Amino acid sequence: DTGVSQDPRHKITKRGQNVTFRCDPISEHNRLYWYRQTLGQGPEFLTYFQNEAQLEKSRLLSDRFSAERPKGSFSTLEIQRTEQGDSAMYLCASSFDLPGRMSSGANVLTFGAGSRLTVL
Amino acid sequence: SQQGEEDPQALSIQEGENATMNCSYKTSINNLQWYRQNSGRGLVHLILIRSNEREKHSGRLRVTLDTSKKSSSLLITASRAADTASYFCATERDTGFQKLVFGTGTRLLVSP
Repeated sequence: DTGVSQDPRHKITKRGQNVTFRCDPISEHNRLYWYRQTLGQGPEFLTYFQNEAQLEKSRLLSDRFSAERPKGSFSTLEIQRTEQGDSAMYLCASSFDLPGRMSSGANVLTFGAGSRLTVL
Repeated sequence: SQQGEEDPQALSIQEGENATMNCSYKTSINNLQWYRQNSGRGLVHLILIRSNEREKHSGRLRVTLDTSKKSSSLLITASRAADTASYFCATERDTGFQKLVFGTGTRLLVSP
């Protein structure tokens, strides 16, 4: 296993176009996260999956954003009708933990290298 | 929104010196973690400290946690040029949230 893979690494698009990013997590990991990072800032949480279920979505995730994780394996993040404000690094991370009371209480994330989006 | 703020925003030191970064956060936490990010890359986990711990060591890293002040510090001893990166603290809340909330980061530059 080579870690968390993200594709493409860099996407340049014109305003109004749709873009899709893919994330392949570490195979044993049941949790998958999407974060967005703009220049000089820390990562901001977008959404989180436990297996195939999307359990939480940030208010940052407008109606133009949709994420899926079919079969609890890879995930896609689609942005429709891109705007210049969508320009950012989109980071995917995965982790493994047991749910609820069986949780270790220590959710350590393994990040991919990110997908940088530039909207012209 | 970001949970924490880090101080300083940027730090420039010489090789061999120690680097100290501070993190403040707002809510009760289950644990606090530090991550490192090289320019244009993803983040790498460095160390985790649980809410019932006060200090933790890992190699040249020393982390402290003061839950009464809602603050943490990361000390890198005997810094090297390869330590040049951005460092972020991240908190996991104790209310069942399953996400990490990151701070704003400290950019560390270590000159040879």
